Amino acid sequence: RKEVEQDPGPFNVPEGATVAFNCTYSNSASQSFFWYRQDCRKEPKLLMSVYSSGNEDGRFTAQLNRASQYISLLIRDSKLSDSATYLCVVTLYNFNKFYFGSGTKLNVKP
Amino acid sequence: GAGVSQSPSNKVTEKGKDVELRCDPISGHTALYWYRQSLGQGLEFLIYFQGNSAPDKSGLPSDRFSAERTGGSVSTLTIQRTQQEDSAVYLCASSLPDGYTEAFFGQGTRLTVV
Repeated sequence: RKEVEQDPGPFNVPEGATVAFNCTYSNSASQSFFWYRQDCRKEPKLLMSVYSSGNEDGRFTAQLNRASQYISLLIRDSKLSDSATYLCVVTLYNFNKFYFGSGTKLNVKP
Repeated sequence: GAGVSQSPSNKVTEKGKDVELRCDPISGHTALYWYRQSLGQGLEFLIYFQGNSAPDKSGLPSDRFSAERTGGSVSTLTIQRTQQEDSAVYLCASSLPDGYTEAFFGQGTRLTVV
């Protein structure tokens, strides 16, 4: 079983829409959680860390549900520039290795 | 340097040749990762180095692939007797060893085996 699972999409949404991605992780000892963004033919870059209490950065909101072992990313008022692949990432306690999901592709259409 | 540096950025090689890909991590980052990404696919974990510990080689797809990290800094990924299916972008990332802070990626080496 993979450490991190994501719906590959693609999610095709119009500009201005709200879209949400979920990601599940298999190990309850997971320590830290992140969302990365990868543009076409570019390297992944950190979008935001995910904190236990949830956190918001402008139009982006990340949530963590430890009981159900999933994290989510909500994007409000989608822009064309949000089109990218979003990668879910976790690390484990006492094992500082990053586990990447395979990514969810988002296409925002005019 | 300011970020993770990979070289070369592009490499075209003939089938059967050996190639070496280089990664220079961020100074002070003891954790170093190699991933492979085929066109339109997700990241495929290859190998992980953490300080002086034995590397986690569980992702290497065959014995044609090897990697080393000298002096806890620069890493080299070597692919022997390249095959066409080795064509991909090879991404290197580095991080602090705390498990809390993010991993930073280099821009990758695009390998094409012809």
